[in-house]
Amino acid sequence: NAGVTQTPKFRILKIGQSMTLQCTQDMNHNYMYWYRQDPGMGLKLIYYSVGAGITDKGEVPNGYNVSRSTTEDFPLRLELAAPSQTSVYFCASSYSRGGVETQYFGPGTRLLVL
Amino acid sequence: GQNIDQPTEMTATEGAIVQINCTYQTSGFNGLFWYQQHAGEAPTFLSYNVLDGLEEKGRFSSFLSRSKGYSYLLLKELQMKDSASYLCAVRARAAGNKLTFGGGTRVLVKP
Repeated sequence: NAGVTQTPKFRILKIGQSMTLQCTQDMNHNYMYWYRQDPGMGLKLIYYSVGAGITDKGEVPNGYNVSRSTTEDFPLRLELAAPSQTSVYFCASSYSRGGVETQYFGPGTRLLVL
Repeated sequence: GQNIDQPTEMTATEGAIVQINCTYQTSGFNGLFWYQQHAGEAPTFLSYNVLDGLEEKGRFSSFLSRSKGYSYLLLKELQMKDSASYLCAVRARAAGNKLTFGGGTRVLVKP
């Protein structure tokens, strides 16, 4: 299993440009998440999904959109990039066993908006 | 909302023990996780506590007191490779059982 994969690894955007961050998992996990992590800070939840066709907002959803057409893929869309969106973006997926839900993270996408 | 506090940074010597504290305020507590994150890498799962007490996994142990809203991660026999950030995360029914992360504690292990 490749686990959780994210592309691209790094991207520079100009203000107002748009882009899609890709996330794929091959573990057949129902739950998927997008987080952002600013330098020296913890993770903030942007959006999450409990299964194909179902998405919901997290703590910091403004400026982002998501879709979940398949179990494997959970892309994150930035429509009008702003400098405040400069961050590292982590995608995660999880399963639940014995009541314990463990999240597995992708390697991250570093985004710089200038 | 959720409130999770942990120290920003700690320094310790190789071979020593370090204890990273995490305090939280939440409604409908449903589990506490510790993650390790090396610089420039993704977080990786370390431990999970939902009942009071100590969970031991090799050199790492995690403790939980639900009545005090308190947990700690204990790292024993520190190695240079343990230099990383350690993230405390709380799952709560008030947050739809999603994880809320603390700011992380950066641990620097010196020779």
